[in-house]
Amino acid sequence: AQTVTQSQPEMSVQEAETVTLSCTYDTSESDYYLFWYKQPPSRQMILVIRQEAYKQQNATENRFSVNFQKAAKSFSLKISDSQLGDAAMYFCAYREYNNNDMRFGAGTRLTVKP
Amino acid sequence: ETGVTQTPRHLVMGMTNKKSLKCEQHLGHNAMYWYKQSAKKPLELMFVYNFKEQTENNSVPSRFSPECPNSSHLFLHLHTLQPEDSALYLCASSHQTGVNTEAFFGQGTRLTVV
Repeated sequence: AQTVTQSQPEMSVQEAETVTLSCTYDTSESDYYLFWYKQPPSRQMILVIRQEAYKQQNATENRFSVNFQKAAKSFSLKISDSQLGDAAMYFCAYREYNNNDMRFGAGTRLTVKP
Repeated sequence: ETGVTQTPRHLVMGMTNKKSLKCEQHLGHNAMYWYKQSAKKPLELMFVYNFKEQTENNSVPSRFSPECPNSSHLFLHLHTLQPEDSALYLCASSHQTGVNTEAFFGQGTRLTVV
């Protein structure tokens, strides 16, 4: 079974600064998707960014970008110009290309200090 | 608002009760999921339905019984639960295949078993 590991249970960042959240995964597949989800206190899981494994270019969504290292099976999330509203639990997730089984990491709790 | 609605938002039930959780989506998705989110544990995938057919059951105890009458609705019937079943239950939906395969989540049902 594929596993997703987030080695940082908690992280903190100063407002306006940059923070990187780590994620590694284990798979024998070559085609898959990777995701970062955000879960604020409201509990709603919201998609932050998505990466298709066949794409070499790292995905970017405004202040959010990823560093996808396929050979190393690493998928880190960088948040630039951190805002107070970025405070939340962040989950890394993996899904095979033709399989609905989406696996999540244990999450990283991000605190943003004003 | 992600387009996935779960009811109720909160539920307290005794171990001998029978209750049901409801999930509804009108996003045109054909896959629906139940996840269990316990404190300090990764999201656990419980059930997956594709086109109303159950395709995944991750060794979930029989006291949890899913039902998917159509592609837009998903239920989780609960009976004779245990206190350790207290958790946040999240419903999600997605397209089965294709580029946009990210899951959209509801706000969850916070279940407390007493």
